Amino acid sequence: AQSVTQLGSHVSVSEGALVLLRCNYSSSVPPYLFWYVQYPNQGLQLLLKYTSAATLVKGINGFEAEFKKSETSFHLTKPSAHMSDAAEYFCAVSDYGGSQGNLIFGKGTKLSVKP
Amino acid sequence: EPEVTQTPSHQVTQMGQEVILRCVPISNHLYFYWYRQILGQKVEFLVSFYNNEISEKSEIFDDQFSVERPDGSNFTLKIRSTKLEDSAMYFCASRETATTNEKLFFGSGTQLSVL
Repeated sequence: AQSVTQLGSHVSVSEGALVLLRCNYSSSVPPYLFWYVQYPNQGLQLLLKYTSAATLVKGINGFEAEFKKSETSFHLTKPSAHMSDAAEYFCAVSDYGGSQGNLIFGKGTKLSVKP
Repeated sequence: EPEVTQTPSHQVTQMGQEVILRCVPISNHLYFYWYRQILGQKVEFLVSFYNNEISEKSEIFDDQFSVERPDGSNFTLKIRSTKLEDSAMYFCASRETATTNEKLFFGSGTQLSVL
């Protein structure tokens, strides 16, 4: 069975500092991996996805994530945090070739950005 | 960008009552999903729906739950007799195809509170 673990339910950084949100996955088949972001009072929006092409994936708003098979990780990073990055971030995994492609989500990490 | 619309944004109900959560997926999408997130827990898959029938459902989606596409635009989730533990944020999502690496478009959610 697939699963996703996000370390840290709450991460706080200063504006301009590096953002690192951790995600580890468990999957018996090659996975598709996703990061979604949820701003207050909004739905989940796709930040980026890994689909077995390049291991370093660039997403919107300056975020990127690196797929590391040996570490079963897909950590999300951004070199310099902005106040507008404050949101909740969800890592998710989906079956490669899965029939319906439903997503398995992590618990989420709430990112706070201090001025 | 096109949006998935969910109504109402908040729903309060008494235990044992029936509730219907409504969603309008993106117009050319064919695959529809419901997820839920209990406060402090993971976003969990409930059900997927295609061609007017359920494609896949999780263990959570028991006989108390049902889904329907009553017309060409709405997609509803019904809970027949609500329980306290049904209190959660319910997200509707849609995608154009079943391809597992295609992004899901999520609505902003309905917060259901069962008293």
